[in-house]
Order: sequence, then C-alpha cells, then structure tokens
Amino acid sequence: NAGVIQTPRHKVTGKGQEATLWCEPISGHSAVFWYRQTIVQGLEFLTYFRNQAPIDDSGMPKERFSAQMPNQSHSTLKIQSTQPQDSAVYLCASSWTVSAETLYFGSGTRLTVL
Amino acid sequence: GDSVTQTEGPVTVSESESLIINCTYSATSIAYPNLFWYVRYPGEGLQLLLKVITAGQKGSSRGFEATYNKETTSFHLQKASVQESDSAVYYCALGDDTGNYKYVFGAGTRLKVIA
Repeated sequence: NAGVIQTPRHKVTGKGQEATLWCEPISGHSAVFWYRQTIVQGLEFLTYFRNQAPIDDSGMPKERFSAQMPNQSHSTLKIQSTQPQDSAVYLCASSWTVSAETLYFGSGTRLTVL
Repeated sequence: GDSVTQTEGPVTVSESESLIINCTYSATSIAYPNLFWYVRYPGEGLQLLLKVITAGQKGSSRGFEATYNKETTSFHLQKASVQESDSAVYYCALGDDTGNYKYVFGAGTRLKVIA
C-alpha cells in the first residue's frame, strides 16, 4: 500500500493562474479530506467527501476553490485565479470512515503563488 | 467552539532528557471526543503517533505516552528519554466519533532534540 499519494509535490504559479492539485486516497477508504497548512493558520479544514459525495465544503473559499471526486481513486482541488495568499501546503487525507478514525495523510503539495 | 491548544514551539531538549508537550482541548460540540497525537518527521508526511478514544485511558507508541484526562481536558504527550530521531513537529487533535467528520488540530509544536 503506497499510502495517500499527492501530486505534484511542488507547484509554482503566477498570480491569476489556475492550479489543480491531485490526490489518490488509500484504496478502500471511504472518506477523503483536504486541509491547508500555513504557519499562521496551522491546519485548516477545507472540504471532505464520503463515498465520493461532497459532504461539507464549509472551509473552502467559495469564489475560487473547488474540489471534486469523480471516482473512488482520486480527488482534485482546483484553485482559480490564484493569489499570493493561497500559498500554502495542501494536504489530502483519507480514512476508513469519518467517525474519528485515523487520518492517513499524503505528503502534501506545496503551492507557491508569485 | 471546539479547539485544541498545545505548547508553543520550538521546544529544544537535550538527548536522553525527558519531554512533555502540553495539550488541552475544548470540545463544546463533540460529546465524546477521541484524542490523537500526529507527528511530522522531516521530509515525511503527517502520520498518527497515538490515539485514545476512552477517557482515562493511556496511549503509547515509540516510547511516547499520553493520557486522556477528561477532568482537566488534557492530553499531554510525554517521553522519559528523547532521542535525536524524535525531532519533528507534533500535533494534538480531537475528533468526533459520532459519525461527524470533525477533526480539530492544534497549531503544532516543533521539537528539536540536540545531542
């Protein structure tokens, strides 16, 4: 089991460009989470899916962020018109269920917006 | 609201000395929180160190221990003798075991162990 796989590891974009981040959860896990990590804010919840269905996106900046899970093997986080304040490490995690089970995190994607 | 507060880092400890990283939580909307310590070693992803789901119980892993104290709403992480390889960032977290997705993380504590 390769664990949660996130690609790319690093992404640099110019202000106003689009960034798409990919996550492959652990096979068989029914819950997929996205978090954003910054020095100032720590680990911020963005959104999560259960059995591929979006359940809660209350942490997502509504205007430019979107997440999808088209099949059980991958999820994407898309940021349109990236801004410097979007620079962060974006973490994907999966778990067997959502009932306070252990979260298995990917290594993250470090997004830098110039 | 629900929150987790932990020792502000960085924390520097000499090898073979003891360690305690404090963690206190507030779980106003989670009736039966589960408590976790996650760790991120240099160059690696965030991973579970230990978890405890029952108040009064102790969890342990890799020489670390933490006891779920409901009275003091604490879940301090302790180790009797640290090693250089314990240098990492440690996160305390609480989760809801009632079918809710909710996990709340502390800000993280960076630990540096010096020889």
